[in-house]
Formats: sequence, C-alpha cells, structure tokens
Amino acid sequence: AQTVTQSQPEMSVQEAETVTLSCTYDTSESDYYLFWYKQPPSRQMILVIRQEAYKQQNATENRFSVNFQKAAKSFSLKISDSQLGDAAMYFCAYRSGDSGGGADGLTFGKGTHLIIQP
Amino acid sequence: EPEVTQTPSHQVTQMGQEVILRCVPISNHLYFYWYRQILGQKVEFLVSFYNNEISEKSEIFDDQFSVERPDGSNFTLKIRSTKLEDSAMYFCASRPLAGVVDTQYFGPGTRLTVL
Repeated sequence: AQTVTQSQPEMSVQEAETVTLSCTYDTSESDYYLFWYKQPPSRQMILVIRQEAYKQQNATENRFSVNFQKAAKSFSLKISDSQLGDAAMYFCAYRSGDSGGGADGLTFGKGTHLIIQP
Repeated sequence: EPEVTQTPSHQVTQMGQEVILRCVPISNHLYFYWYRQILGQKVEFLVSFYNNEISEKSEIFDDQFSVERPDGSNFTLKIRSTKLEDSAMYFCASRPLAGVVDTQYFGPGTRLTVL
C-alpha cells in the first residue's frame, strides 16, 4: 500500500515571501499521479496542482510550483509571493496510475497548516 | 464553472440512526468517490463507484456503509446504525472519463455529527 508523509504539521511565512511544503511518498509503482489540495477554513478541498509521474518537468500553476524528485519519492510545493488567502491546510495526495475502472482512491498525507503572517 | 454539490451541509443524528448523504457530481463525470475526514485528521478514501458498481473500497467501508446512484444526477452514501466515531466531514468527489482524467473534483462536504 502506498503511504504519503507530510513531516511539517505547521509552517509560517511572511506575506510576499516564499514557502516550501514537503511531501514524501512510498510506492512500488512507476506510474502514478501526485496532487496538492488546499483546504481553507471552509473545509472545501481545492485542487492546487497536479503532477504526472512520467513527466520529468515540474508542474507550475501561477505562484504555485512543485519540485518532483521521482527517485527520492519527494513532491514538495513551493508557494511564491505568499498571500493572506493562501492560509489553509495543504494536503499532498497520491493516485495510482494503474487503476482502470475507477479503482483510484486518493491516499492523502496528514496535511500542513500554512500560516501567513501579515 | 461546474461544481460538485453536497447536501446537507451539516447533519446531526442520534447514535443508531440511519443517515443518507447526498451528492450531485459534475454532470459529465462518470467516476464518483466518497471520502471522510475526522476532525483534525487526514482525508481518508472510502469508496469509488463507476458504471453503477463499486470499483474499490477501503477497510473503513464496512457493511454499515452503502452507496447508490438512484438516478442520473445523484450519488448517495448511506450509513446504517451510525456510531459516535462516524462523526466526520464527508466529501464527495467526481472525475470525468475524458480530459483531465486523473483529477478528482471535490464537493464542499457534509459535516456529520453523531450524538
């Protein structure tokens, strides 16, 4: 079974600064997908960014980018120019790529609580 | 932009009662999921559903749980004889058959409180 580990229960960053959230995972599969979801106080789960394991290029979405190190099984999220609205819980998630027919439940880490200091 | 919706937003029930949580997935999506999040803990996968049958279920999804797609739009999670430990946030998610097929889109959740 796959596991996802987020070793930082809480991170704090000054507004406009850059912060990196860590995520490591354990799998024996070669084909999979990785995601970062944001959960603000409303508790809605919002997709931030996704990465296909077969792509070497790191995914980027505006101020959000990842550092995907497949050999190290590491998938960190970098948030540039942090804004007050970025304050939330951030969850790293794994999905198997070999999951035909919908057998593709996400495995989540425990989350990192990101605090933005004004 | 299309969204996954869930009702009710908050459900309070007595231990031993049955509850049905409802979800309306995004209209062209064909894969449906339920997850739960106990307060302060991580999100846990419960079940996935495709082509009118369960594709995968976790150890949490025991005989007290069932899912159904009663019509062309709704997707429900039924919990029979609720327990105190069923108190959690329950999220529905869906994803399409084509396009960005690997991304699941989540609803806003239903907070279930079992007294």
